[in-house]
Amino acid sequence: DVKVTQSSRYLVKRTGEKVFLECVQDMDHENMFWYRQDPGLGLRLIYFSYDVKMKEKGDIPEGYSVSREKKERFSLILESASTNQTSMYLCASSLSAWTRGYTFGSGTRLTVV
Amino acid sequence: TQLLEQSPQFLSIQEGENLTVYCNSSSVFSSLQWYRQEPGEGPVLLVTVVTGGEVKKLKRLTFQFGDARKDSSLHITAAQPGDTGLYLCAGVPAGANNLFFGTGTRLTVIP
Repeated sequence: DVKVTQSSRYLVKRTGEKVFLECVQDMDHENMFWYRQDPGLGLRLIYFSYDVKMKEKGDIPEGYSVSREKKERFSLILESASTNQTSMYLCASSLSAWTRGYTFGSGTRLTVV
Repeated sequence: TQLLEQSPQFLSIQEGENLTVYCNSSSVFSSLQWYRQEPGEGPVLLVTVVTGGEVKKLKRLTFQFGDARKDSSLHITAAQPGDTGLYLCAGVPAGANNLFFGTGTRLTVIP
């Protein structure tokens, strides 16, 4: 089974801190994604990547950046955390969105205080 | 504005009842998927449908893709407490590569 592992299940950070969320997948998928999930708003795409060192903005990239130095690892960076970035963050990987869908990690629940 | 609208948003039913969840759009999709998400976990793919009119069954769950590939439904027969969770539909619009998610239906099955 494809496994997507997110480094932390729960994180509490202070406003203004730089935050790193790590995601690793073990099935050699080229496509990786970062979403945030908020009640009533569903899943919103932050950034995605189709290849190493490649990144594309999603629907809500402001306040975030990403890094993909290796195929299996896709990192989300909050440059200066703010309280409105308190959310559930979900990483996913995919071979083909069209036919195979996405495999998600268990999520990181981030609280910014 | 959501590309995919799900209804109902919340559903609470007794064990043994049947239910249907709907996923609608004005856009055409190359494929449409259903996921279930349990509290504290990421969504898990249940099924992918790619052909208009397609029907897929997964035990007590029946998934249908509309003829025009703009909508889908999920029917659960004889719901059980283990079916409790957030059900998400997601589609790849024609000509696109990424998935777009609906806002979800939160199902609670009461024993």
